[in-house]
Amino acid sequence: KNQVEQSPQSLIILEGKNCTLQCNYTVSPFSNLRWYKQDTGRGPVSLTIMTFSENTKSNGRYTATLDADTKQSSLHITASQLSDSASYICVVSAQSNYQLIWGAGTKLIIKP
Amino acid sequence: DARVTQTPRHKVTEMGQEVTMRCQPILGHNTVFWYRQTMMQGLELLAYFRNRAPLDDSGMPKDRFSAEMPDATLATLKIQPSEPRDSAVYFCASGLRGAKNTEAFFGQGTRLTVV
Repeated sequence: KNQVEQSPQSLIILEGKNCTLQCNYTVSPFSNLRWYKQDTGRGPVSLTIMTFSENTKSNGRYTATLDADTKQSSLHITASQLSDSASYICVVSAQSNYQLIWGAGTKLIIKP
Repeated sequence: DARVTQTPRHKVTEMGQEVTMRCQPILGHNTVFWYRQTMMQGLELLAYFRNRAPLDDSGMPKDRFSAEMPDATLATLKIQPSEPRDSAVYFCASGLRGAKNTEAFFGQGTRLTVV
């Protein structure tokens, strides 16, 4: 069964600190993996998209990694800011169709 | 700037009433998704359109939900009759299938409360 699991479920860190969010998936055949940021009351916004051949991609202070062998991805946030408080959702696309398999998300809270 | 527009942003209605949610996809996008998000279920795919044709609506309760694209600039999601368990945020997203790593761009959502 195609699944995406994220950890931790929630995380609280102090402003300026770094953090890493995890994503494990069992989607097969794999097409690509995306990380979305969803602010409260808003729609998800794409941060990164990675295909099988890419193992790291950055978007500003966000760096995503992908290990297609172990089917794991991480999202690293550097020098966190208050505006980083949001839910971060890992989404995996199956190669065979359009289907996007959504993780439950990690709720990140940045405290001053 | 290009964005997906959803209306209304908020809707409160009584059980049994008809609800229609509208979405204007980004101009030129050929795929449209409807998602429902609740605290318990996260994001669930309700329907998917490509070039205005419904490709998959298996996520929708067929007896009360319907999704259409009357034209390329408008997608609608209708609930009739609405029930309290339909209370959720409904997101529309559009993308360009065929482009590398098709990305879905989301609207702001319609927050529906059925009382």
